[in-house]
Amino acid sequence: EVQLLESGGGLGQPGGSLRLSCEGSGFTLNNFAISWVRQAPGKGLEWVSRIGASALNPIYADSVRGRFTISRDDSENTVSLQMSSLRVDDTAVYFCARVDGAGYFSLWGQGTQVTVSS
Amino acid sequence: DVRMTQSPSTLSASLGDRVVISCRASQTVDFRLAWYQQKPGEAPKLLLFHASSLQSGVPSRFSGSGSGTEFSLTISSLHPDDFATYYCHQYNTYPHTFGQGTKLEIK
Repeated sequence: EVQLLESGGGLGQPGGSLRLSCEGSGFTLNNFAISWVRQAPGKGLEWVSRIGASALNPIYADSVRGRFTISRDDSENTVSLQMSSLRVDDTAVYFCARVDGAGYFSLWGQGTQVTVSS
Repeated sequence: DVRMTQSPSTLSASLGDRVVISCRASQTVDFRLAWYQQKPGEAPKLLLFHASSLQSGVPSRFSGSGSGTEFSLTISSLHPDDFATYYCHQYNTYPHTFGQGTKLEIK
């Protein structure tokens, strides 16, 4: 079955760090760009970051630039999101999504909850 | 950033109704617009891409139209499984942006 699976969410402290992972199965992850999208409780979708298939030129939303780092390990078929200097407003469900064609998201993971609280 | 505005925010409709959800972009996104359906506790699901191309496996009662700054999603005859929240998404420029969502409720 073709799917994405996120892991690594949990409770983080303000100013702290968390690392999320997105693992692909049923397809070759390294052939695709991957984006992270988050959804705060009761809110809409917010695009966070993207990494290309070649891992060049990662892109970030202004709200996370300088605090989050996206990377990929093609040998492990995973994409990671290193989250640092966490803020309370980073609290959300984080989804990874496969980027198809010109940039739409054809495949989504089930999401992982990140809660930032003291 | 491109601002995406959906209308209405909430829509009440009955089984069998035809419904239309609109999405307006603050600047042109050409044809690079997608629509997603999301149910509570689930990930979004791609319905349409490139404004009007139906994703494989999505029922043909879903259709999309528009280009530039004005887009719409039409469901021709509501089924019980269609009551959910719908989002438009522009992927023409970074940062990608989404509409605020339209919640489709049973009347």
